[in-house]
Amino acid sequence: NAGVTQTPKFRVLKTGQSMTLLCAQDMNHEYMYWYRQDPGMGLRLIHYSVGEGTTAKGEVPDGYNVSRLKKQNFLLGLESAAPSQTSVYFCASSYSRPGQGVGELFFGEGSRLTVL
Amino acid sequence: GENVEQHPSTLSVQEGDSAVIKCTYSDSASNYFPWYKQELGKGPQLIIDIRSNVGEKKDQRIAVTLNKTAKHFSLHITETQPEDSAVYFCAASIKNNDMRFGAGTRLTVKP
Repeated sequence: NAGVTQTPKFRVLKTGQSMTLLCAQDMNHEYMYWYRQDPGMGLRLIHYSVGEGTTAKGEVPDGYNVSRLKKQNFLLGLESAAPSQTSVYFCASSYSRPGQGVGELFFGEGSRLTVL
Repeated sequence: GENVEQHPSTLSVQEGDSAVIKCTYSDSASNYFPWYKQELGKGPQLIIDIRSNVGEKKDQRIAVTLNKTAKHFSLHITETQPEDSAVYFCAASIKNNDMRFGAGTRLTVKP
């Protein structure tokens, strides 16, 4: 069972370059999320989607864009990468909203991004 | 804003001892409190969760307690084993489909 798959797993960028992280889930979940994980700061929500064709801002959205053209895919884009975006990025999906029904988040294995 | 504070940041115990991790939250509307375990190189994985209408929940060696009045909840691991070594995150649901995560606790179980 694949669950949540992220690509690429590692990437090194120079300041100003752009890139896209791809997340794919095979559990037919409506909700998908992008988090960043930094030392001592836990996981912070960047953007999320409540269904195909929808996106919304999370806690730290600046410098990122997302798209959900297909239910199973959620893309995270960096248009002009900055050193402050060096982080480990996690995609997650869930059957329902946190706090409602089955709120469990299923995470991918992460994508480590370094911006020089 | 809504915050979740987690303590301690690191915890080292002997195999067989108990481990306790504590979290406090600020949003009185929070009603769902999960705990995630993250092993090295992996994504976080849910190990136990509790809702606001329950004070305690157990699953084998793991238990979570919730005090809504004081706005704090705790993870208890009994009879720790080396495979329990990982980073543990608490979280609390807030509005707008979001959850706030604590900063994490690195648990080391020494054989």
